Amino acid sequence: GQQVMQIPQYQHVQEGEDFTTYCNSSTTLSNIQWYKQRPGGHPVFLIQLVKSGEVKKQKRLTFQFGEAKKNSSLHITATQTTDVGTYFCAGHRRGTASKLTFGTGTRLQVTL
Amino acid sequence: SAVISQKPSRDICQRGTSLTIQCQVDSQVTMMFWYRQQPGQSLTLIATANQGSEATYESGFVIDKFPISRPNLTFSTLTVSNMSPEDSSIYLCSALHGANSGYTFGSGTRLTVV
Repeated sequence: GQQVMQIPQYQHVQEGEDFTTYCNSSTTLSNIQWYKQRPGGHPVFLIQLVKSGEVKKQKRLTFQFGEAKKNSSLHITATQTTDVGTYFCAGHRRGTASKLTFGTGTRLQVTL
Repeated sequence: SAVISQKPSRDICQRGTSLTIQCQVDSQVTMMFWYRQQPGQSLTLIATANQGSEATYESGFVIDKFPISRPNLTFSTLTVSNMSPEDSSIYLCSALHGANSGYTFGSGTRLTVV
């Protein structure tokens, strides 16, 4: 079946440092979505990328979708303590419009 | 985006009993989904619930264990039947509100089976 892996599994940074999580799918995706889950909370939708090579920005967050539509990345510039949480990528395999497969997640810890 | 109210938020249940989790969406949605998440782990899709038809279950999940109801476009329930300690987990419902809006999640139900 489809597998979506993320690295690193965990990262601890000091506030102000940058952070990147990488997402790799075993199959080609029709789109990629990113979610943030705060400790004790539920996943919250951040963004969706659809086009090959697409790059989108949300303030300090930059999202990329790979040319082959099998990988993606999320980069946070100058992390803040409010960025703490687990970041999940999730994708639809081509031909499965509704079934969303979540990545393994990257837990980010930010300290002062 | 839609708002989903999920209850109960947590419960401690005896093994062999059943628990029904409810999700109410503040607007009509075509598809609702039920996920399971072990603490510190990713989300695993249990089933897709469409109004007017039987739920579609993922590999490893069966209707007798996780019966789902979807009586209308704003409501769904998941029952965890004949519970064992292995069913202890967080259960989340989700809905797709629009093609580009992502999925909205309920706040989750933390289930502990003793």
